[in-house]
Amino acid sequence: QVQLQESGPGLVKPSQTLSLTCTVSGGSISSGNFYWSWIRQPAGKGLEWIGRIYTSGNTDYNPSLKSRLTISEDASKNQFSLKLTSVTAADRAIYYCARESPMPTGTWYLDLWGRGTLVTVSS
Amino acid sequence: QPVLSQPPSSSASPGESARLTCTLPSDIKVGDYNIYWYQQKPGSPPRYLLYYYSDSDNGQGSGVPSRFSASKDASANTGILLISGLQSEDEADYYCMIWPNNVHWVFGGGTKLTVL
Repeated sequence: QVQLQESGPGLVKPSQTLSLTCTVSGGSISSGNFYWSWIRQPAGKGLEWIGRIYTSGNTDYNPSLKSRLTISEDASKNQFSLKLTSVTAADRAIYYCARESPMPTGTWYLDLWGRGTLVTVSS
Repeated sequence: QPVLSQPPSSSASPGESARLTCTLPSDIKVGDYNIYWYQQKPGSPPRYLLYYYSDSDNGQGSGVPSRFSASKDASANTGILLISGLQSEDEADYYCMIWPNNVHWVFGGGTKLTVL
């Protein structure tokens, strides 16, 4: 079955760029009708949707992060990635990658999640 | 972005029912949106439970017991997750989620459910 796994540095210095990768196994990110998303969760707090990339390469970003955010995909590696520039302590969180799938009813939902990876921002 | 309001905590005893709420801001109407519900246990990612638009338009997640159901209260502009026959394993954080105005996914702040 399809599985997602986040990877990347667990520690990023303030003002630098946070870079994470999500590796998809058990299925191809370039086939099918899916969005591939990033969501984050500060420790002990709620969830925040970051953005997503469609199979075609089109992206949607959270307006509050859009100026610092790039989501891309590498189909040859079956991965999609997140880059968030100019990080601050407020960006410290568990970062999840997830798949968004269509339902038979026509709606979409986040059906598959990675285990998450903790990113700390500190000098 | 809109803010979905969830009570920070709720509790109930095993075998009882828990009613968790998700209140939308007054400028968006609960009747216009799918309300999605996720369950999250410590150290794990969220798990999709179900979505509810209406009695004829809703979708249970794979393997999610029928004890989990949802509804809306239009007068309170609120989505509701009802968990009947509470079990100790239902102790978790519960998040509601919507996609307002084709902008992006928005989550509520979550409710921590304690099974006494």
